[in-house]
Amino acid sequence: DSGVTQTPKHLITATGQRVTLRCSPRSGDLSVYWYQQSLDQGLQFLIQYYNGEERAKGNILERFSAQQFPDLHSELNLSSLELGDSALYFCASSAQGYSYNEQFFGPGTRLTVL
Amino acid sequence: GENVEQHPSTLSVQEGDSAVIKCTYSDSASNYFPWYKQELGKRPQLIIDIRSNVGEKKDQRIAVTLNKTAKHFSLHITETQPEDSAVYFCAASTSGTYKYIFGTGTRLKVLA
Repeated sequence: DSGVTQTPKHLITATGQRVTLRCSPRSGDLSVYWYQQSLDQGLQFLIQYYNGEERAKGNILERFSAQQFPDLHSELNLSSLELGDSALYFCASSAQGYSYNEQFFGPGTRLTVL
Repeated sequence: GENVEQHPSTLSVQEGDSAVIKCTYSDSASNYFPWYKQELGKRPQLIIDIRSNVGEKKDQRIAVTLNKTAKHFSLHITETQPEDSAVYFCAASTSGTYKYIFGTGTRLKVLA
């Protein structure tokens, strides 16, 4: 157990809908990262937050947005869902968010868009 | 743009043999290279990492080597065991960018 929690574990929804994925980082970690892992694909970096502010952005679609709250938990919002958005979404946290800080991954949320 | 290529995509070895996975990065300013292991249905976990001021690092049966000139780094697993079967991801990171660029992963299968 990494100490990072994600809810829900599974999510099944229809195209065009909007969903929110939630992540709680390890106690004391200030930085949160979001990744997308499609079937047989690598880990695509989406976005990073540090202490409530966006710090780095990857290949995140305009239909996706995220935020980190004062209690440091983070939410990833996916809207106008398409079939291709079906994937495993991981959240990771690290202490300070520097490039050499180990990232601890949560168990992931499996999103299925029908 | 930043890119990390990883080879091979799949690798099968006999138990007890060695396995080598190679990665090449594009950003010459990259200075931190972690390796993550993801077992089936589980989360990725860090197994070893190396910084650019070091050429090699070893931890029991696992070692990582870095060639900055050629911009590539490799994971070496010796005396492989069935529990080493997993997907391995390399990554590269650059100070100031705060993010990892992951390779596409190598599915290692250790045959008993």
